[in-house]
Amino acid sequence: EVQLVESGGGLVQPGGSLRLSCAASGFTFSTYDMHWVRQTTGKGLEWVSSIGTNADTHYPDSVKGRFTISRENAKDSLYLQVNNLRAGDSAIYYCARSASYSYYGLDVWGQGTTVTVSS
Amino acid sequence: EIVMTQSPATLSVSPGERATLSCRASQSVSSNLAWYQQKPGQAPRLLIFGASTRATGIPARFSGSGSGTEFTLTISSLQSEDFAVYYCQQYNNWPSMYTFGQGTKLEIK
Repeated sequence: EVQLVESGGGLVQPGGSLRLSCAASGFTFSTYDMHWVRQTTGKGLEWVSSIGTNADTHYPDSVKGRFTISRENAKDSLYLQVNNLRAGDSAIYYCARSASYSYYGLDVWGQGTTVTVSS
Repeated sequence: EIVMTQSPATLSVSPGERATLSCRASQSVSSNLAWYQQKPGQAPRLLIFGASTRATGIPARFSGSGSGTEFTLTISSLQSEDFAVYYCQQYNNWPSMYTFGQGTKLEIK
């Protein structure tokens, strides 16, 4: 079964850091682009980072310099290091995959991990 | 930055009827548009990519159309399981930028 499982969320104080993880199974992880998408409570979806099969990374301006996406193909794992967290970063963080040679949408998603930024 | 605007915010439709959801881009995104469905407590599910191509396993009652700045998701005969929130996503500048619309909630009338 193709599956993505996120972990690492939790309660953190403003200015703090977390490392989110996403474990992949059931497919050849190294051949897919991977993404993090977040969803604030009751709000919509926001793309926050992508990493290609050659480890090229991309971020929106809203998180650039604070978030770092990485992957470890030998462990079929994706990561998101989130630093200098703000209240506005509180959200469910999903990992998702897409084809690497073209974009056919985010066809597999994890169940999400919740990050709460509060003092 | 390309802004995606979905309308209406909430759409009330009876089961068995047709639902038409709209998504507008602030500038042309060609056919680089996807649609997702999200039910409460679940992750989004890919429905459509390339503006009109159904993803694997998506029923034929879901169809997408449009190009440039105007897009439509049509559900031809609503089933009970179709009541959910729907998001559009543009990927005209992939892999460096993706933008979602704010969503349309499809509710039972």
